[in-house]
Amino acid sequence: EPEVTQTPSHQVTQMGQEVILRCVPISNHLYFYWYRQILGQKVEFLVSFYNNEISEKSEIFDDQFSVERPDGSNFTLKIRSTKLEDSAMYFCASSTPLTSGNQETQYFGPGTRLLVL
Amino acid sequence: GDSVTQMEGPVTLSEEAFLTINCTYTATGYPSLFWYVQYPGEGLQLLLKATKADDKGSNKGFEATYRKETTSFHLEKGSVQVSDSAVYFCALSDPPRGRRALTFGSGTRLQVQP
Repeated sequence: EPEVTQTPSHQVTQMGQEVILRCVPISNHLYFYWYRQILGQKVEFLVSFYNNEISEKSEIFDDQFSVERPDGSNFTLKIRSTKLEDSAMYFCASSTPLTSGNQETQYFGPGTRLLVL
Repeated sequence: GDSVTQMEGPVTLSEEAFLTINCTYTATGYPSLFWYVQYPGEGLQLLLKATKADDKGSNKGFEATYRKETTSFHLEKGSVQVSDSAVYFCALSDPPRGRRALTFGSGTRLQVQP
């Protein structure tokens, strides 16, 4: 069964450093997403991406964040200058719209645990 | 904006007990509703979903019915197992209104004891 993959599984970085989190969505999916989950808290939406541009973003997704689909398979999240509060599990997800419109399902990757020191 | 409210956890049950995890939502439109499960150390897995009123989603013995009149989507299972121990998240999205982003509840941790 196709699945979403993410690398690395764990990342430790120093405050102020740039990090890039990588995702390979399911191959025939058209929508891509990033979510984060701070330890012990709810899963929060960051951004969605469709047709090579951002389609939705939350207030969390400020100028420190950017997303890119550099080739036909990868989808990346870049955090330009990490802060302590960026420490979280970051989940990538993908989906594809069905002809009936509202029945699509988002499939999640296993996550990247980011620790900012 | 849209929101999802789940019952506080943890919920601790003995094996073979009946499970209910309450979920209510607030949405302007007509959302799709989901339950996701997160096993220890793993990512989110879709458990079940429903896209219109009175639809019942079911999977692995779990069920939830989309109740528009009470804006609820409670998760139930007749007989839980130790392997059901996990965190359960209720979520919604509203693609017809251009809102594909999932809005999650805070999660309910289920602990099943042998």
